[in-house]
Amino acid sequence: QKEVEQNSGPLSVPEGAIASLNCTYSDRVSQSFFWYRQYSGKSPELIMSIYSNGDKEDGRFTAQLNKASQYVSLLIRDSQPSDSATYLCAVGNSGGSNYKLTFGKGTLLTVNP
Amino acid sequence: DARVTQTPRHKVTEMGQEVTMRCQPILGHNTVFWYRQTMMQGLELLAYFRNRAPLDDSGMPKDRFSAEMPDATLATLKIQPSEPRDSAVYFCASGFFRTGDDEQYFGPGTRLTVT
Repeated sequence: QKEVEQNSGPLSVPEGAIASLNCTYSDRVSQSFFWYRQYSGKSPELIMSIYSNGDKEDGRFTAQLNKASQYVSLLIRDSQPSDSATYLCAVGNSGGSNYKLTFGKGTLLTVNP
Repeated sequence: DARVTQTPRHKVTEMGQEVTMRCQPILGHNTVFWYRQTMMQGLELLAYFRNRAPLDDSGMPKDRFSAEMPDATLATLKIQPSEPRDSAVYFCASGFFRTGDDEQYFGPGTRLTVT
């Protein structure tokens, strides 16, 4: 049973601070990793993808991957109230014939003005 | 602006009725996924297709749910008969599967309420 674990939160940070969201996964052969943002009542929106160990930066977002520790994280710098949402971690077996993503249950982030 | 579209956006029906949800994937995407999201279970994969062929429907209750892809621009999810426990948001997602690039993009969802 492939599992993706996230702290459900809520994680509360002040505006302008760094928000750190964490995710662990159980399947060692996982090769693709994604962060989705989901506003209340809306659909998941892809915000970051990462495939290699290390950091990947896109604007205020940085995804970090450590395959040896089976750990992926998302850092949001200069957090804004508009970042308040649930963040879903998803893990896939890119390149496998029976490819699909396994999602965590999400971490609720609240950014306080 | 390429997007996944889903209809209807909201559906309220009585127990025992048939429900059909439709999805139009992003043009050119070869993989289509159906998910169900509830507060308790989170996002669950029901079924998915590649190049219109069903690859995995192990997440779907076989006795009442069915998924098809009659052509490359349409995927359907049917529930017959519907039950109150089927109340959830159903998402369709699409992507172009290839090694190193397997991002999925979600539609707006169908919010189903079965009374």
